[in-house]
Amino acid sequence: GQQLNQSPQSMFIQEGEDVSMNCTSSSIFNTWLWYKQDPGEGPVLLIALYKAGELTSNGRLTAQFGITRKDSFLNISASIPSDVGIYFCAGRNDYKLSFGAGTTVTVRA
Amino acid sequence: NAGVMQNPRHLVRRRGQEARLRCSPMKGHSHVYWYRQLPEEGLKFMVYLQKENIIDESGMPKERFSAEFPKEGPSILRIQQVVRGDSAAYFCASSPQRQGSVETQYFGPGTRLLVL
Repeated sequence: GQQLNQSPQSMFIQEGEDVSMNCTSSSIFNTWLWYKQDPGEGPVLLIALYKAGELTSNGRLTAQFGITRKDSFLNISASIPSDVGIYFCAGRNDYKLSFGAGTTVTVRA
Repeated sequence: NAGVMQNPRHLVRRRGQEARLRCSPMKGHSHVYWYRQLPEEGLKFMVYLQKENIIDESGMPKERFSAEFPKEGPSILRIQQVVRGDSAAYFCASSPQRQGSVETQYFGPGTRLLVL
Protein backbone atom coordinates (compact mmCIF):
# COMPACT_ATOMS: atom_id res chain seq x y z
CA GLY A 1 0.00 0.00 0.00
CA GLN A 2 0.95 3.64 -0.31
CA GLN A 3 2.83 5.21 2.60
CA LEU A 4 1.49 8.33 4.29
CA ASN A 5 3.61 10.21 6.81
CA GLN A 6 1.54 11.97 9.42
CA SER A 7 2.95 14.38 11.97
CA PRO A 8 3.16 15.06 14.77
CA GLN A 9 2.65 11.60 16.23
CA SER A 10 1.13 13.07 19.38
CA MET A 11 0.52 16.43 21.01
CA PHE A 12 -0.51 17.83 24.36
CA ILE A 13 -2.32 21.12 24.10
CA GLN A 14 -3.98 23.62 26.38
CA GLU A 15 -7.72 24.11 26.06
CA GLY A 16 -8.36 27.06 23.79
CA GLU A 17 -5.19 26.60 21.74
CA ASP A 18 -5.12 25.95 18.00
CA VAL A 19 -3.90 22.58 16.72
CA SER A 20 -2.22 21.80 13.45
CA MET A 21 -1.26 18.48 11.91
CA ASN A 22 -0.23 17.39 8.45
CA CYS A 23 0.18 14.47 6.17
CA THR A 24 2.57 13.90 3.28
CA SER A 25 2.85 11.18 0.70
CA SER A 26 5.24 10.14 -2.04
CA SER A 27 2.20 9.38 -4.20
CA ILE A 28 -0.51 11.58 -5.66
CA PHE A 29 -4.05 11.21 -4.35
CA ASN A 30 -7.32 12.31 -5.94
CA THR A 31 -9.00 12.81 -2.57
CA TRP A 32 -7.76 13.59 0.93
CA LEU A 33 -9.86 12.81 3.98
CA TRP A 34 -9.50 13.48 7.68
CA TYR A 35 -11.02 11.14 10.27
CA LYS A 36 -11.25 11.18 14.06
CA GLN A 37 -11.24 7.99 16.08
CA ASP A 38 -12.35 7.86 19.71
CA PRO A 39 -11.16 4.98 21.91
CA GLY A 40 -13.00 1.76 21.11
CA GLU A 41 -14.79 3.24 18.13
CA GLY A 42 -14.40 3.41 14.36
CA PRO A 43 -13.11 6.41 12.42
CA VAL A 44 -15.61 9.19 11.81
CA LEU A 45 -15.21 11.39 8.75
CA LEU A 46 -14.47 15.04 9.59
CA ILE A 47 -13.60 16.63 6.27
CA ALA A 48 -13.23 15.45 2.66
CA LEU A 49 -11.18 17.35 0.07
CA TYR A 50 -11.63 16.67 -3.63
CA LYS A 51 -9.55 19.25 -5.52
CA ALA A 52 -5.92 20.30 -5.32
CA GLY A 53 -5.67 23.61 -3.48
CA GLU A 54 -9.12 23.23 -1.93
CA LEU A 55 -9.57 24.75 1.54
CA THR A 56 -12.60 23.46 3.46
CA SER A 57 -13.98 24.23 6.90
CA ASN A 58 -16.30 22.29 9.19
CA GLY A 59 -16.99 24.32 12.33
CA ARG A 60 -13.67 24.75 14.14
CA LEU A 61 -11.91 22.44 11.68
CA THR A 62 -10.13 23.61 8.55
CA ALA A 63 -8.32 21.38 6.09
CA GLN A 64 -6.46 21.96 2.85
CA PHE A 65 -5.62 19.73 -0.10
CA GLY A 66 -2.04 20.54 -1.16
CA ILE A 67 -1.52 21.79 -4.71
CA THR A 68 0.95 18.98 -5.43
CA ARG A 69 -1.79 16.49 -4.39
CA LYS A 70 0.78 14.84 -2.14
CA ASP A 71 -0.06 16.54 1.14
CA SER A 72 -2.81 17.89 3.35
CA PHE A 73 -3.12 19.66 6.67
CA LEU A 74 -5.81 19.88 9.34
CA ASN A 75 -6.25 22.77 11.77
CA ILE A 76 -8.45 22.74 14.86
CA SER A 77 -9.09 26.16 16.33
CA ALA A 78 -9.87 26.95 19.99
CA SER A 79 -9.55 23.32 21.15
CA ILE A 80 -11.98 21.94 23.72
CA PRO A 81 -11.79 18.76 25.86
CA SER A 82 -13.91 16.72 23.43
CA ASP A 83 -11.26 17.23 20.74
CA VAL A 84 -9.28 14.48 22.47
CA GLY A 85 -8.75 11.51 20.21
CA ILE A 86 -6.71 10.19 17.33
CA TYR A 87 -6.85 12.02 14.03
CA PHE A 88 -6.08 10.16 10.84
CA CYS A 89 -5.42 11.45 7.37
CA ALA A 90 -6.32 9.22 4.46
CA GLY A 91 -5.58 9.49 0.76
CA ARG A 92 -7.86 7.92 -1.78
CA ASN A 93 -7.51 6.88 -5.40
CA ASP A 94 -10.60 5.09 -6.67
CA TYR A 95 -12.05 3.18 -3.70
CA LYS A 96 -8.92 2.28 -1.72
CA LEU A 97 -8.07 4.37 1.34
CA SER A 98 -4.47 4.65 2.56
CA PHE A 99 -4.21 5.89 6.14
CA GLY A 100 -1.54 7.72 8.06
CA ALA A 101 -0.46 6.38 11.46
CA GLY A 102 -2.47 9.01 13.31
CA THR A 103 -1.94 12.03 15.55
CA THR A 104 -3.00 11.56 19.16
CA VAL A 105 -4.36 14.76 20.66
CA THR A 106 -4.65 15.22 24.40
CA VAL A 107 -6.16 18.42 25.76
CA ARG A 108 -5.26 19.78 29.18
CA ALA A 109 -8.23 21.50 30.77
CA ASN B 1 -30.84 5.56 9.77
CA ALA B 2 -28.67 3.02 11.57
CA GLY B 3 -24.96 3.15 10.88
CA VAL B 4 -22.62 0.31 9.98
CA MET B 5 -23.04 -2.50 12.49
CA GLN B 6 -20.31 -4.91 13.45
CA ASN B 7 -20.39 -7.86 15.78
CA PRO B 8 -19.02 -9.02 17.98
CA ARG B 9 -17.35 -5.87 19.32
CA HIS B 10 -14.76 -8.00 21.13
CA LEU B 11 -13.66 -11.53 20.32
CA VAL B 12 -11.16 -13.71 22.14
CA ARG B 13 -9.80 -16.80 20.48
CA ARG B 14 -7.09 -19.31 21.24
CA ARG B 15 -4.43 -20.06 18.67
CA GLY B 16 -5.73 -22.44 16.03
CA GLN B 17 -9.40 -21.52 16.42
CA GLU B 18 -11.53 -19.77 13.84
CA ALA B 19 -12.66 -16.15 14.09
CA ARG B 20 -15.80 -14.98 12.30
CA LEU B 21 -16.47 -11.26 12.10
CA ARG B 22 -19.76 -9.84 10.85
CA CYS B 23 -20.61 -6.53 9.22
CA SER B 24 -24.03 -5.15 8.30
CA PRO B 25 -23.67 -2.14 6.01
CA MET B 26 -25.75 0.99 6.27
CA LYS B 27 -29.21 0.72 4.76
CA GLY B 28 -29.03 1.22 1.02
CA HIS B 29 -25.29 0.55 0.83
CA SER B 30 -24.15 -2.27 -1.42
CA HIS B 31 -20.37 -1.87 -1.14
CA VAL B 32 -18.40 -3.22 1.82
CA TYR B 33 -14.72 -2.77 2.70
CA TRP B 34 -12.69 -4.44 5.42
CA TYR B 35 -9.66 -2.81 7.07
CA ARG B 36 -7.28 -4.01 9.78
CA GLN B 37 -5.71 -1.76 12.42
CA LEU B 38 -2.73 -2.91 14.42
CA PRO B 39 -1.93 -1.08 17.69
CA GLU B 40 -0.45 2.40 17.18
CA GLU B 41 -1.01 2.21 13.40
CA GLY B 42 -3.47 3.45 10.82
CA LEU B 43 -6.02 1.26 9.09
CA LYS B 44 -4.84 -0.99 6.27
CA PHE B 45 -7.12 -2.01 3.40
CA MET B 46 -7.89 -5.71 3.18
CA VAL B 47 -10.76 -6.40 0.81
CA TYR B 48 -13.57 -4.74 -1.16
CA LEU B 49 -16.82 -6.57 -1.82
CA GLN B 50 -20.11 -5.97 -3.52
CA LYS B 51 -23.09 -8.27 -3.13
CA GLU B 52 -21.93 -11.80 -4.06
CA ASN B 53 -18.68 -10.48 -5.58
CA ILE B 54 -15.15 -9.93 -4.35
CA ILE B 55 -13.89 -6.88 -6.22
CA ASP B 56 -10.40 -6.48 -4.73
CA GLU B 57 -8.76 -8.71 -2.13
CA SER B 58 -5.23 -7.46 -2.69
CA GLY B 59 -4.78 -6.44 0.95
CA MET B 60 -5.88 -9.72 2.45
CA PRO B 61 -3.37 -12.46 3.36
CA LYS B 62 -3.59 -15.31 0.87
CA GLU B 63 -3.86 -17.99 3.53
CA ARG B 64 -6.36 -18.42 6.36
CA PHE B 65 -8.34 -15.25 5.52
CA SER B 66 -11.52 -15.15 3.48
CA ALA B 67 -14.39 -12.72 3.02
CA GLU B 68 -17.87 -12.90 1.60
CA PHE B 69 -20.88 -10.64 1.14
CA PRO B 70 -23.86 -12.86 0.32
CA LYS B 71 -27.05 -11.77 -1.38
CA GLU B 72 -28.83 -11.91 1.97
CA GLY B 73 -27.25 -11.22 5.34
CA PRO B 74 -24.12 -9.53 6.58
CA SER B 75 -20.63 -9.55 5.17
CA ILE B 76 -18.36 -12.05 6.92
CA LEU B 77 -14.60 -11.88 7.43
CA ARG B 78 -13.33 -15.30 8.38
CA ILE B 79 -9.92 -16.07 9.84
CA GLN B 80 -9.04 -19.73 10.14
CA GLN B 81 -6.43 -21.15 12.52
CA VAL B 82 -5.77 -17.79 14.15
CA VAL B 83 -2.27 -16.85 15.33
CA ARG B 84 -1.21 -14.18 17.83
CA GLY B 85 -0.27 -11.83 14.99
CA ASP B 86 -3.93 -11.72 13.94
CA SER B 87 -4.74 -9.74 17.10
CA ALA B 88 -5.97 -6.37 15.85
CA ALA B 89 -9.04 -4.23 15.38
CA TYR B 90 -10.96 -5.10 12.22
CA PHE B 91 -13.13 -2.38 10.74
CA CYS B 92 -15.82 -2.64 8.15
CA ALA B 93 -16.92 0.33 6.04
CA SER B 94 -19.76 0.66 3.57
CA SER B 95 -20.70 3.02 0.78
CA PRO B 96 -23.65 3.42 -1.57
CA GLN B 97 -23.51 2.56 -5.23
CA ARG B 98 -23.50 5.55 -7.50
CA GLN B 99 -22.80 5.56 -11.19
CA GLY B 100 -19.48 7.08 -12.19
CA SER B 101 -18.32 8.28 -8.77
CA VAL B 102 -16.53 7.03 -5.70
CA GLU B 103 -18.63 7.49 -2.62
CA THR B 104 -17.62 8.19 0.97
CA GLN B 105 -16.99 5.15 3.15
CA TYR B 106 -18.67 5.07 6.56
CA PHE B 107 -17.00 2.98 9.22
CA GLY B 108 -18.44 0.65 11.82
CA PRO B 109 -17.24 0.52 15.44
CA GLY B 110 -14.89 -2.39 14.76
CA THR B 111 -14.26 -5.85 16.19
CA ARG B 112 -11.28 -6.16 18.53
CA LEU B 113 -9.80 -9.62 18.11
CA LEU B 114 -7.47 -10.95 20.76
CA VAL B 115 -5.67 -14.23 20.13
CA LEU B 116 -4.32 -15.93 23.24
